[in-house]
This record gives sequence, structure tokens and C-alpha cells, in this order.
Amino acid sequence: GAVVSQHPSRVICKSGTSVKIECRSLDFQATTMFWYRQFPKKSLMLMATSNEGSKATYEQGVEKDKFLINHASLTLSTLTVTSAHPEDSSFYICSAVKTEAFFGQGTRLTVV
Amino acid sequence: GENVEQHPSTLSVQEGDSAVIKCTYSDSASNYFPWYKQELGKGPQLIIDIRSNVGEKKDQRIAVTLNKTAKHFSLHITETQPEDSAVYFCAASIGGGSYIPTFGRGTSLIVHP
Repeated sequence: GAVVSQHPSRVICKSGTSVKIECRSLDFQATTMFWYRQFPKKSLMLMATSNEGSKATYEQGVEKDKFLINHASLTLSTLTVTSAHPEDSSFYICSAVKTEAFFGQGTRLTVV
Repeated sequence: GENVEQHPSTLSVQEGDSAVIKCTYSDSASNYFPWYKQELGKGPQLIIDIRSNVGEKKDQRIAVTLNKTAKHFSLHITETQPEDSAVYFCAASIGGGSYIPTFGRGTSLIVHP
């Protein structure tokens, strides 16, 4: 199957700082990538759809100014959590679609 | 929009037994049904999928069945092994164009040695 690489796998940051998470499709081009958030023992919650060369589409209730998404190339999308707070601590996962959706390995964000 | 229900939320079996996870969906336009396995601290991995033009698909110990009329699909794992222990998610989507799967809530499968 296709490979989607997400980096970093774990990050700890202080409240008020910003954190950038990268999602790369390593062996295919993805015009669309998706960002999910997952709470412990819960399913994946779609946050936004990242479109190459255009603005991301955010799901209802997701603050676009807090979760900045940039999809500058066909193989890279980034999610920046701005002015992070402890309640932003979570597991963030990206996916890219080839013929099916392939997921990154996830990023565990802890805000202290 | 699409709604996917998944049962059970937890499934505990003995090694060697079979495990069955069931999902239902609401949108008759959905035509693509993947299953993902998620191990602790990792992203979901696609393990098998089925499209609406077939009723069953098998890959070694894993099989998926689809009943379009009843709008339900199931994952079957035979001869379970401890390494099968993980959270399994079903999903439904309309393939082609913008692909946004709707996920079930997940099933935590525990295989006891």
C-alpha cells in the first residue's frame, strides 16, 4: 500500500506556543489530505480537509484560526496548532487518498 | 449525512477463536467500505476493503461481507492470534471524487493467549 509519513510522532509544548505537524505522502501525489483528531478510546473525528493550492475546508466546530492548515505541494500538508492550550492535547492523524485512504502514524501532542 | 454504527465496542476472545465485528450504514449511496486496524499509539492501517459490487472478500484469515439491501457489513477474523489485538474501525464512503469516510466508533478486540 501507499505510505503516508507524519512527523513528529510525539511532541510536548508549553501553553501559548505553536506546534507544526507535517504529513507527507511518500510515494504518490495527494491533492487532498485529511486531518483527524482522536481522543482516548474514541473514533477519529474529522477536523478538516486540506486541498492543495487552496484553502482548507473545516468541519463545524473546528476553529480555523487555531488549527492552521497549509497544503503547499502535492505531497505535503501541515497542521499548525496555534497558541496551544492543555485542552488541545490529543492524538492527531492525517490521511491521504490514493485509491483508498492511507493514514499517517499519528502525532501525540501534549501541551503543558 | 452518513451514519455508521459499529458493534460490539469491546470483544474478548480466546486465541484460535473467530471474531466478528458488525457495522451498519445509513446512506444507500455509500459504495466503499474499508476496515482499519489501529494499534496503540499508531495511526489506522487499512486491512481489507470491499466495494458495493461484491458481497464478500477474503484475505487469508480476514474476510468482509456486505449486504447492500440491509446496509450492513461485517469483518470476520478466523484463528485469532494475540497480535490481532487492536482497535478495529469500519468506515463507509462514496468512492470517487472527494473521499471522506465516515468511521464507526471502533471495536477493541482482545485476544487472550
